[in-house]
Amino acid sequence: EVQLVESGGNLVQPGGSLRLSCAASGFTFSSYWMHWVRQAPGKGLVWVSRINRDGSSTTYADSVKGRFTISRDNAKNTLYLQMNSLRAEDTAVYYCAREGSGSYYFDYWGQGSLVTVSS
Amino acid sequence: QSALTQPRSVSGSPGQSVTISCTGTSSDVGDYNYVSWYQQHPGKAPKLMIYDVSERPSGVPDRFSGSKSGNTASLTISGLQAEDEADYYCCSYAGSFTSVFGGGTKLTVL
Repeated sequence: EVQLVESGGNLVQPGGSLRLSCAASGFTFSSYWMHWVRQAPGKGLVWVSRINRDGSSTTYADSVKGRFTISRDNAKNTLYLQMNSLRAEDTAVYYCAREGSGSYYFDYWGQGSLVTVSS
Repeated sequence: QSALTQPRSVSGSPGQSVTISCTGTSSDVGDYNYVSWYQQHPGKAPKLMIYDVSERPSGVPDRFSGSKSGNTASLTISGLQAEDEADYYCCSYAGSFTSVFGGGTKLTVL
């Protein structure tokens, strides 16, 4: 059974940093591209970032470019999102999601991790 | 990276059909056959319902169908059931390994 379990969400002050983790199991993690998607309270889904199978290629939404870094450790079956210079508008539930094989969609999602940016 | 446009809400009675539209541009929906749809119940993670415009993952009822014309994609739910009440989001590949979601549509089953 495919499982994605996020962790690391917390309350952080504006300008602070936080690292999210997503532990994957039930599939060959190194064979899939992975993504982060976020959802502000009461709002819609927003794509944040994507990483290829070996971590050599990454892409970001304009809103987080230069502040967030996506990475992965295939030996540990874990996806990461390093978030720096956090702003109030970064407050959201952050989901990790697996990209479907051979196409551009998200076939499995984690349960989400809440990041709150507030003083 | 502007969000795709969806109606904020739609509604229908049990057994009826509803269609949710998703309008993008020639740089996303209109340029790629990579539109997907997600169902999200309150407090839950999104669930894939349709991918590649009209493909249905195993386990998703055939009451759910997708289509696309030009810059607009659509999700149709026939034979509405109470458990279909949820938020629905479209998503499109937008080139350069980026994706863009719609703003979401709240489906109410009357």
